[in-house]
Amino acid sequence: GAVVSQHPSRVICKSGTSVKIECRSLDFQATTMFWYRQFPKQSLMLMATSNEGSKATYEQGVEKDKFLINHASLTLSTLTVASAHPEDSSFYICSARYRGSNEQFFGPGTRLTVL
Amino acid sequence: DQQVKQNSPSLSVQEGRISILNCDYTNSMFDYFLWYKKYPAEGPTFLISISSIKDKNEDGRFTVFLNKSAKHLSLHIVPSQPGDSAVYFCAASNAGNMLTFGGGTRLMVKP
Repeated sequence: GAVVSQHPSRVICKSGTSVKIECRSLDFQATTMFWYRQFPKQSLMLMATSNEGSKATYEQGVEKDKFLINHASLTLSTLTVASAHPEDSSFYICSARYRGSNEQFFGPGTRLTVL
Repeated sequence: DQQVKQNSPSLSVQEGRISILNCDYTNSMFDYFLWYKKYPAEGPTFLISISSIKDKNEDGRFTVFLNKSAKHLSLHIVPSQPGDSAVYFCAASNAGNMLTFGGGTRLMVKP
């Protein structure tokens, strides 16, 4: 149980295009979803926290107009990287948590490469 | 200010021996601690957790120890296996809120 999927697993795009990444909880209702970013050989950095039906809370230094998060249902959150640039190239990972749990269950990640 | 630190970026251990990964934290409000294992290009996999009301939690080959007075936790893997080679992250949370991750320790278990 507690499986989280992400789609796509890998995306390569041209600079200036927008990219949408989906995060789904497959067998539980995710009341809270988190989006992380990981640069090579670095730790996971929390970008934003989203609760179903409400606006995401962004961490300091993360541009909300650049990284658009939608948590439209209890099983789906999306991260859209608007007008992506090469510096946005990174590994993006989502996680989900159900009500009453301290644990987060992570998706497999999405490798974004912006040319 | 890094609230969760893993001071050893890497650790090399012989197969069959014990691996000890360490983690220190500064925020005394943290009440739940977790260890994750991560392979390259994959999401972290939950390994084991411990509540601040305990000082030890064991699950098979994995044991987590918590020393609240020292604000220190450790993950023991025994016996270590080559398949344990990965990056291990400790994480902490306060009252079920967001996780704060350490920088990770790369464990290499040599056959």
